Amino acid sequence: EAGVAQSPRYKIIEKRQSVAFWCNPISGHATLYWYQQILGQGPKLLIQFQNNGVVDDSQLPKDRFSAERLKGVDSTLKIQPAKLEDSAVYLCASSPRQKLRDTGELFFGEGSRLTVL
Amino acid sequence: GIQVEQSPPDLILQEGANSTLRCNFSDSVNNLQWFHQNPWGQLINLFYIPSGTKQNGRLSATTVATERYSLLYISSSQTTDSGVYFCAVLGPDSNYQLIWGAGTKLIIKP
Repeated sequence: EAGVAQSPRYKIIEKRQSVAFWCNPISGHATLYWYQQILGQGPKLLIQFQNNGVVDDSQLPKDRFSAERLKGVDSTLKIQPAKLEDSAVYLCASSPRQKLRDTGELFFGEGSRLTVL
Repeated sequence: GIQVEQSPPDLILQEGANSTLRCNFSDSVNNLQWFHQNPWGQLINLFYIPSGTKQNGRLSATTVATERYSLLYISSSQTTDSGVYFCAVLGPDSNYQLIWGAGTKLIIKP
């Protein structure tokens, strides 16, 4: 079974430029998460999708970050314009369950490492 | 909100040694997971263990929910065990917002 696919693995941009990250979840997984992981910290949830609908985007900085999951499969996370503090690894995860209560079925991709200069 | 503390923050061991990593949490939980993040950044789910004890090869985990802590045991460490170990929990009022500890960075020397 193929895992969660993410691209690009690495991206270096200047501040105020834009960047987009792509995620393809495990086949059949209805729930998709985007996390931001700053060096030395645990991941922070940015947005959760159930199929193509947003379940929670309360921690997404909506003035510069946007995400979509058209057709309920692939997802794209965009940052525009980027700031220095956006330097982090952006992790995509998927689960066959909508709720993580009572389940450990959460699978991560390898992440996209962003450096903003 | 719920607080998650992991200890120690860093651990350096020789290959073959045993180790115990600890996760303390400040409230009751509906979900507790241990993850390993390898040096290339991949996060792998090790255990789903909101209570009780589980074992998987050289790794085992125990959660004492009433005392609000979990322990991850690694026996006969190998260099491939190096990386960061995270504990993540789901608070009593949440269905999907995992709260993560800061991790324990483990280095296994050959």
